[in-house]
Amino acid sequence: DIQMTQSPSSLSASVGDRVTITCRSSQSIISYLNWYQQKPGKAPNLLIYAASSLHPGVPSRFSGSGSGTDFTLTISSLQPEDFATYYCQQSYNTPHTFGQGTKVEI
Amino acid sequence: QVHLVQSGAEVKKPGASVKVSCKASGDRFTKYVIHWVRQAPGQRLEWMGWINADYGTTEYSQKVQDRVNFIRDTSANTAYMELSSLKSEDTAVYYCAIGTWYGSAFDIWGQGTLVIVSS
Repeated sequence: DIQMTQSPSSLSASVGDRVTITCRSSQSIISYLNWYQQKPGKAPNLLIYAASSLHPGVPSRFSGSGSGTDFTLTISSLQPEDFATYYCQQSYNTPHTFGQGTKVEI
Repeated sequence: QVHLVQSGAEVKKPGASVKVSCKASGDRFTKYVIHWVRQAPGQRLEWMGWINADYGTTEYSQKVQDRVNFIRDTSANTAYMELSSLKSEDTAVYYCAIGTWYGSAFDIWGQGTLVIVSS
């Protein structure tokens, strides 16, 4: 199975901050990398697919980059509604493994 | 757009079985491959497998393949996840999810079903 490792596991930030979350895969997944936002008690929401494509309806302050084994999710200017946990997921092969999550806190 | 609604919370004893449903509305059910993902308390999301709603073909993760069964009822636009020989480690929120936009990037999720396994 492909292992997905995110860093950091948690971070503290303020409204307006630029936030960067990293995801690393244990082998190349080309660009088959997706990012989700999850709030407590809710299902995840897709933010980014194929490493850098913004899912329709997702604010443009979210962006993704990377290929191969190293990927980044960036929030350019953190908004109050962005405080949540973020997960990366590889869809290169099955099982479609997820990272352990990054909790973004105030 | 397709919408997924899951069945309600379950409490089961170790060794029992559970069946969670996922009803689709808003689009033709058989267009989709329905994935099942679970999340134990405080843990990462874990992909369990998928079922092709049209053909009924399935793939399961190795971790649960001996205990899980995905089925679908096309007349009811509903997919089901059956998990047997429940253990306390199976306590989790179970989600069904669909990728309508790009492969296995899941943009449509059910609301989740909490399954508690406790004696």
